[in-house]
Amino acid sequence: EIVLTQSPGTLSLSPGERATLSCRAGQSVSSRHLAWYQQRPGQAPRLLIYGASNRATGIPDRFSGSGSGTDFTLTISRLDPEDFAVYYCQHDGAFGQGTKVEIK
Amino acid sequence: QVQLQESGPRLVKPSETLSLTCTVSGGSISSSGYYWAWIRQPPGKGLEWVGTISYTGTTYHTAPLKSRVSMSVDTSRNQFALKLSSMTAADTGVYYCARLRGGNNYLDYWGQGTLVTVSS
Repeated sequence: EIVLTQSPGTLSLSPGERATLSCRAGQSVSSRHLAWYQQRPGQAPRLLIYGASNRATGIPDRFSGSGSGTDFTLTISRLDPEDFAVYYCQHDGAFGQGTKVEIK
Repeated sequence: QVQLQESGPRLVKPSETLSLTCTVSGGSISSSGYYWAWIRQPPGKGLEWVGTISYTGTTYHTAPLKSRVSMSVDTSRNQFALKLSSMTAADTGVYYCARLRGGNNYLDYWGQGTLVTVSS
């Protein structure tokens, strides 16, 4: 089973700043199967990105995904107050451990 | 708009079997290209994949839980179900059901989740 490692564990930033989140797979994976989710406190996860770089329906264009092979990135170009949350990457039946984006 | 709703007991005793049902509305559970998944989240921790089932009953389980997990689907009721046996305190957490889009294997719709506590 693929192991996904996300970094950093916590990212402390201010609204308006750029966030760069990393997801590294233990072996090369298909980018078609790499997705990103956002989870706000007390809520279910929400799909942001699928196929490594495709935004899900209704997701603002400040969210973008990139990468291939073992290294994938989620970028939030300008943090909005509602973006402070935990983000997870997923490949098939595995999730990364999450990156918390908190207000600095 | 597809909606999913988990139902089942909130409190389970150690060694007992958890039974949860997910009711799908706004779409057919038999739709081609989709699968149905269970994900769980211990308090304060990350997401853990429990298993996936197709509308024909084909299942996939993650290795750590494989021997304890049973899943089923009822197309007439547009529901799918999870049974997890030999519950311990480590199984306490929020259990989510979700729809998996086949091909790209992403979870596009989620239930709100139900907190299950294992305690005597």
